[in-house]
Amino acid sequence: DADVTQTPRNRITKTGKRIMLECSQTKGHDRMYWYRQDPGLGLQLIYYSFDVKDINKGEISDGYSVSRQAQAKFSLSLESAIPNQTALYFCATSDGTSYNEQFFGPGTRLTVL
Amino acid sequence: AQTVTQSQPEMSVQEAETVTLSCTYDTSESDYYLFWYKQPPSRQMILVIRQEAYKQQNATENRFSVNFQKAAKSFSLKISDSQLGDAAMYFCAYRRFNDMRFGAGTRLTVKP
Repeated sequence: DADVTQTPRNRITKTGKRIMLECSQTKGHDRMYWYRQDPGLGLQLIYYSFDVKDINKGEISDGYSVSRQAQAKFSLSLESAIPNQTALYFCATSDGTSYNEQFFGPGTRLTVL
Repeated sequence: AQTVTQSQPEMSVQEAETVTLSCTYDTSESDYYLFWYKQPPSRQMILVIRQEAYKQQNATENRFSVNFQKAAKSFSLKISDSQLGDAAMYFCAYRRFNDMRFGAGTRLTVKP
């Protein structure tokens, strides 16, 4: 079984709809992240959380919100989706050691029409 | 803010040959970490190799090695004996504390 899972894997929605992307992990890591990937831009950090009570904005948090329901679960919400939020979204976890290596989920491809 | 630049949007290599992917970064810090990630068509981000800025010795993982030039702020990835399975997008990444920055990626094609 995958250590970091994301649901759904693909989603098509309409402008103005609320949508939630979910991430679960079995690695036992405290740290979790949400990234957005656009062609030609690499990955950009949206939000990150170091434990259940800790939520921090990344470089592109506008238009997004998150919820850390438990150590193993970290959800990303788009309150009112817009077309320029069409992208590939990745969840990642890390153990906080010196390298703080990040382990990524399989990604969610979101299309906003 | 730290930036990571991959100047080669696309690269091509013949199977069994060697290819080098370039990465430069901008930072005023002395302690940080650098990574290369591979993203095959499956979309999964896979860590290829990592380097700690304080370590002068270049990291090596089987056919993958890096040329880390701290003064030049350069972190290139060398893939030896290229295989068809190496075809993917490759992303260079920089991390210092909570700040992780990715380059735009290099698409590597491996020709049989």
